[in-house]
Parts: sequence; structure tokens; C-alpha cells
Amino acid sequence: DAGVIQSPRHEVTEMGQEVTLRCKPISGHNSLFWYRQTMMRGLELLIYFNNNVPIDDSGMPEDRFSAKMPNASFSTLKIQPSEPRDSAVYFCASSRQNNQPQHFGDGTRLSIL
Amino acid sequence: GESVGLHLPTLSVQEGDNSIINCAYSNSASDYFIWYKQESGKGPQFIIDIRSNMDKRQGQRVTVLLNKTVKHLSLQIAATQPGDSAVYFCADGYGNNRLAFGKGNQVVVIP
Repeated sequence: DAGVIQSPRHEVTEMGQEVTLRCKPISGHNSLFWYRQTMMRGLELLIYFNNNVPIDDSGMPEDRFSAKMPNASFSTLKIQPSEPRDSAVYFCASSRQNNQPQHFGDGTRLSIL
Repeated sequence: GESVGLHLPTLSVQEGDNSIINCAYSNSASDYFIWYKQESGKGPQFIIDIRSNMDKRQGQRVTVLLNKTVKHLSLQIAATQPGDSAVYFCADGYGNNRLAFGKGNQVVVIP
């Protein structure tokens, strides 16, 4: 079975540029999560969706970050404008329902110069 | 959300020995607990989970123990293998899908 698929795997861009990260959850999963991982802060939840609807975006750092889930098989996380402090590994995860294991993709390593 | 902490940053284990990774959680309302393994360059991989109505659950070579009285969670790995070298995270959830992750514990298996 295909797992959570994220693209790109690596992104290097200059500050001020728009960055779009993409995620395809596991088919049949109705919850989708975006996380950010850094050495300093560990794994932080940014936002999660249930049935394509954003439920909790309290972890989104600021207005420069936005996330969408136009359908059950696709989500994007956008940063505009990007800043060097946004450099991190961004993970997408999906789960079948509440309190079921979340399954993670292999992440997007983002570097903002 | 609540934070989950790990006692030891690095655990070195001889190949073939059993490993025990400990974790403390702070939210007494948490009802779901989960362990992940993360290898370099990869996303966290689900190992095993347990709900608050249980105190022990076994998987393949792994056992999770939950002590709700002292808010403690542990992961036991039997007959540790080189492929078990990774960072292990515990996390707890409290009903609304939010998982609070610990900082992680590096396990190094010595051949």
C-alpha cells in the first residue's frame, strides 16, 4: 500500500519567495496533519483537517503560513513570504479516524537562504 | 497542548539485549499513547499504540507498558538489532486528534 506521499523532498529557496509543500494522504484516511520538526523545538503540530475541514490551526506560526485541503487526496502548506527561520523538515501525516495511528510521510526538508 | 518528556537522551544497547525506553506524560486526561521510530532522513514510523483502558500491549518484539497512576509510558524492545538504532518518540493524545510529542530518545545498538 502507498504511504503518505510528500513533495518535494527537498526545497532550497531565497527568503521572500513563496514555498508550496504538497501532501497526498493514504487513501481512506479522513484526517490529515501538518507538522514541523526542528532540533530546537522537536515535532510541532501546525494544523490538522478532518474530512477536508481545518479543525485546529493554532499551531500555525503566523499569517505567512496557510494550508488547504481541496479534496480528500491532496493538501498543501504554503509559506509566503518565506524567511530563514522557516527552515525545517515539514511532515504530513494521515489517520483513519480520531485516536487511530497517524502515519507520516518522509517529509520535505526546507532551507530558506 | 501538553508536553511529553523522555528521561534519557541517548541509550546505548548491546545487540541482542533488551532495550527499555521511558517516557513521562503530564496530561492526566490523555487517553491514547503511541510510540514512533524515526530513522535518519525519514518520517516517524508507527510502532505501537495503547489506550488508557489497558496497561500493557505487545507487538512483534515490542511491548508498551502504561502506568496511569504515575503517568509513565515505556517501550521495551526484545533482542535489540542494529536496525533498531533510531530516535524513538512517545506521544499522547486526548481525544481530539492532537498528539503531543516528546523530544525523542536516541537508541544506539552496539554490534
